[in-house]
Amino acid sequence: GQNIDQPTEMTATEGAIVQINCTYQTSGFNGLFWYQQHAGEAPTFLSYNVLDGLEEKGRFSSFLSRSKGYSYLLLKELQMKDSASYLCAARDSNYQLIWGAGTKLIIKP
Amino acid sequence: GAVVSQHPSWVICKSGTSVKIECRSLDFQATTMFWYRQFPKQSLMLMATSNEGSKATYEQGVEKDKFLINHASLTLSTLTVTSAHPEDSSFYICSARDPGQDSKEQYFGPGTRLTVT
Repeated sequence: GQNIDQPTEMTATEGAIVQINCTYQTSGFNGLFWYQQHAGEAPTFLSYNVLDGLEEKGRFSSFLSRSKGYSYLLLKELQMKDSASYLCAARDSNYQLIWGAGTKLIIKP
Repeated sequence: GAVVSQHPSWVICKSGTSVKIECRSLDFQATTMFWYRQFPKQSLMLMATSNEGSKATYEQGVEKDKFLINHASLTLSTLTVTSAHPEDSSFYICSARDPGQDSKEQYFGPGTRLTVT
């Protein structure tokens, strides 16, 4: 079956760095997405990886290892507004997104 | 980036009534739109894929006669929850891909919070 695993909740300190891991098993693979979702709002796109390696975009970076079925989202210089849920989603051979349950990130002052 | 709107943003209805939710792509034409449902503290659950000019493709376990989807134009898809019950109370979110861009992302609408009393 198809499956996405990511931690349920993480806590970090303002100004620090946090890494949110995601492992996936899909029927075929056509990319790995990270979305941010604040409570009561729709998800917003953060990053997309389809090749191995690190993609950097400002304070956020995303890494992919296709051989390991593994990705992580790295958030640097954490700000209070980064408190949100972070959703990992893998796209399968039918171009359908398989979603993880999300990681709730709590930022403490 | 591309913009997707939803209407209404929230709705309260009585059990047994029907509710229609609209999803519009504002600055692009979307041949495919997706409807999701999200219960509190849970992830997005894909309900159906809406294809312009053809029948929607429903995910396993989603009742197509209860959740009616119409994608009559390239910019509008509607989801009608028929004979709503309290267990249908949820956050309904639509998304769309912009085929005109070499973009891989789905653009999400702001969501519709449905409460059935």
